[in-house]
Amino acid sequence: DAGVTQSPTHLIKTRGQQVTLRCSPISGHKSVSWYQQVLGQGPQFIFQYYEKEERGRGNFPDRFSARQFPNYSSELNVNALLLGDSALYLCASSLVGGLYGYTFGSGTRLTVV
Amino acid sequence: AQTVTQSQPEMSVQEAETVTLSCTYDTSESDYYLFWYKQPPSRQMILVIRQEAYKQQNATENRFSVNFQKAAKSFSLKISDSQLGDAAMYFCAYRSATGNTGKLIFGQGTTLQVKP
Repeated sequence: DAGVTQSPTHLIKTRGQQVTLRCSPISGHKSVSWYQQVLGQGPQFIFQYYEKEERGRGNFPDRFSARQFPNYSSELNVNALLLGDSALYLCASSLVGGLYGYTFGSGTRLTVV
Repeated sequence: AQTVTQSQPEMSVQEAETVTLSCTYDTSESDYYLFWYKQPPSRQMILVIRQEAYKQQNATENRFSVNFQKAAKSFSLKISDSQLGDAAMYFCAYRSATGNTGKLIFGQGTTLQVKP
């Protein structure tokens, strides 16, 4: 079975631009979460979606938004990019909201110049 | 708000020896889950071990075991018979058992070096 897949793997954007990151969960997983990991730090929670509804949002500005599609895949959008948005963006999926742990993808490395 | 602290930025161990990574957390909740994740250079976070707070028995997974001290809010990871493939960054994470968010709160991580 395929794991959690994220695309693209790397991305370079200019300040002020917008970016969309994509995630496909493991088949059967209905919960998808997004995390931001700045170099050398632990991941920070951005969003969780379950059954296409937002179930949680971390302390991130409104420039960050996400959605989940009927096939449970998800997109993370970031508008008006800042240099500080440069990070590894991780997607994680689970069956029941992570009670038994999440399966993570390999992430999208976003560099804002 | 819950917090997770890993006080050892870097650790090193000789191949085949044992190493313990420390993690402390702060919470007012009584029911929660704790995890250790491994992040190799490939960037993918891999679940190493999981502990349920209401279970007193320490979790074990092959060469990996935890020392869960609920009263002390401590959750250390012991790696026995260390292998070169264990070299990675290790993160301790907390998940509340209540609420719908499923949010994981991570520590800052410990980089483990395994010397041949």
